[in-house]
Amino acid sequence: GAGVSQTPSNKVTEKGKYVELRCDPISGHTALYWYRQSLGQGPEFLIYFQGTGAADDSGLPNDRFFAVRPEGSVSTLKIQRTERGDSAVYLCASSLIPGLADTQYFGPGTRLTVL
Amino acid sequence: DQQVKQNSPSLSVQEGRISILNCDYTNSMFDYFLWYKKYPAEGPTFLISISSIKDKNEDGRFTVFLNKSAKHLSLHIVPSQPGDSAVYFCAGYSGAGSYQLTFGKGTKLSVIP
Repeated sequence: GAGVSQTPSNKVTEKGKYVELRCDPISGHTALYWYRQSLGQGPEFLIYFQGTGAADDSGLPNDRFFAVRPEGSVSTLKIQRTERGDSAVYLCASSLIPGLADTQYFGPGTRLTVL
Repeated sequence: DQQVKQNSPSLSVQEGRISILNCDYTNSMFDYFLWYKKYPAEGPTFLISISSIKDKNEDGRFTVFLNKSAKHLSLHIVPSQPGDSAVYFCAGYSGAGSYQLTFGKGTKLSVIP
């Protein structure tokens, strides 16, 4: 499979817990993006990585959210002290040529439910 | 402030007829627009795009029209097929530094056999 993969596909956690969501981009893609899609809404941008560095983290809602991409490939989105309002589908996308938006390929998402 | 608006949450069309999905935007900095298609439990799949310097782009059964003065886009699907039933998202993008896509809320298209 050459597409973007995300694990787990579903995550149920309790309020206050810590969660990690993983994204495996398409091999060779240097740009990686995280989006969040709440019920009835379109995806909303969270953070963009170019290589290992976060080039734009302006979409992260607060300091409970953090993401890393230590080797420029796999990325992990980390959420501390989860709240019920964090429940959403978290989507990851990657692109070969950053800046050409039509090359953003999305994974299937991780559905996070905070009880 | 919603920068990309898809005012029709749903649309039903008979198989073989034309489907027209509409999108309005407010951010004049957008210079590239995309349509994504999403099936349940899958991620959005890129469908077609258009640069702001063009007013039409066609790819098979899919055509996107851009009216820059009205800040309006539309996606035409002709002929519509049952497999086209999905949620369609319009997204805008500014090439001036930020690579994030700004999405509308989506329109659910149902093509009736």
